[in-house]
Amino acid sequence: DIQMTQSPSSLSASVGDRVTITCQASQDISNYLNWYQQKPGKAPKLLIYDASNLETGVPSRFSGSGSGTDFTFTISSLQPEDIATYYCQQYDNWYTFGQGTKLEIK
Amino acid sequence: EVQLVESGGGLVQPGGSLRLSCAASGFTFSDHYMDWVRQAPGKGLEWVGRTRNKANSYTTEYAASVKGRFTISRDDSKNSLYLQMNSLKTEDTAVYYCARETGTTGIFDYWGQGTLVTVSS
Repeated sequence: DIQMTQSPSSLSASVGDRVTITCQASQDISNYLNWYQQKPGKAPKLLIYDASNLETGVPSRFSGSGSGTDFTFTISSLQPEDIATYYCQQYDNWYTFGQGTKLEIK
Repeated sequence: EVQLVESGGGLVQPGGSLRLSCAASGFTFSDHYMDWVRQAPGKGLEWVGRTRNKANSYTTEYAASVKGRFTISRDDSKNSLYLQMNSLKTEDTAVYYCARETGTTGIFDYWGQGTLVTVSS
């Protein structure tokens, strides 16, 4: 099974800050990597697919990059409504999620 | 508007069975692979399994943790997805989400609101 390791597990930042989350795969997954946002009590929402493609309707402050085993998710200017837990997910070999990164406002 | 609405969750004793349903609308259900993903209380997301579409013979795949106990099926005439859960264990306690794959890709572009399954004596 492919393991996905996200870091950090939690993060506190101020409004307007640039926020970066990383996700490392246990083996090469090419660009088969998605990012989701989950707000408390809600279903996950797709933000980024194929490592770097912004889902329709998602604000441009969200972005993703990487390929192979190392991936990065960035919020260029943190907004209050971005408070959520973020998950990466690989789909190169079945489907595995990272353990999540809980983002809080400082 | 794409909508996925799960139902059927509840409290069940260990060793018991439960059947979840997911009603889909707003898109051509028969074209898409459909999945179940679960989330234990306070934990992360875990893929449970999926069903391919008719063009791919409705084949199913499962996570090792549920294989042999859970069965996914679909009824394209009713735009519905099902999860039959047998031999339930306390560790199956979770919110269960149905999710649509973008075509046949492994990208979950729409999710239901989830239904809570509690396995406890």
